[in-house]
Amino acid sequence: GQQLNQSPQSMFIQEGEDVSMNCTSSSIFNTWLWYKQDPGEGPVLLIALYKAGELTSNGRLTAQFGITRKDSFLNISASIPSDVGIYFCAGRNSGGGADGLTFGKGTHLIIQP
Amino acid sequence: DSGVTQTPKHLITATGQRVTLRCSPRSGDLSVYWYQQSLDQGLQFLIQYYNGEERAKGNILERFSAQQFPDLHSELNLSSLELGDSALYFCASSVGPAPDTQYFGPGTRLTVL
Repeated sequence: GQQLNQSPQSMFIQEGEDVSMNCTSSSIFNTWLWYKQDPGEGPVLLIALYKAGELTSNGRLTAQFGITRKDSFLNISASIPSDVGIYFCAGRNSGGGADGLTFGKGTHLIIQP
Repeated sequence: DSGVTQTPKHLITATGQRVTLRCSPRSGDLSVYWYQQSLDQGLQFLIQYYNGEERAKGNILERFSAQQFPDLHSELNLSSLELGDSALYFCASSVGPAPDTQYFGPGTRLTVL
């Protein structure tokens, strides 16, 4: 089946630093989504991307749909304590197979005081 | 609050038993999705229903089944439970049949002893 490789697995950063994470796929996706999950909660949609090359912002978050359609990037600028959590990428390929989302394993963001 | 509700929040049961998880989608959403989240497998898509009909199937075991009722709420039935079924089970909903922008519920934590 489709696989998403998300990296890094975890990040330890200082408050105020910028953060970058990415996802790569073994196959083409036509939709990329980024979610954040807090402990004990369900994932919350942050950004949705629908076109190759698309760059979309949501406050301090910016995500890009890679030109090859096999990758996506999420950047967080000037991190704050409430950014702590697990960030998941998810992709969808409507070309065939199960029409659900494929999720990466997540990036754990930890902010050190 | 995503608008998706799930009950119960926690469930503890024994191996071999059967349980039912319940989900109410956001008002106006016709699609319901079920996911299993475990530490080693991450978020795995199980099944999708759209307007009462099964639309897509993912990695759902034969011991598991789901349905969507006329009022659009959905139930996930897990039978002959095994220790490895212990996980968080999330329901998500979206307006249409495409899983592009899903909103997740808070999840049900299932513990099989």
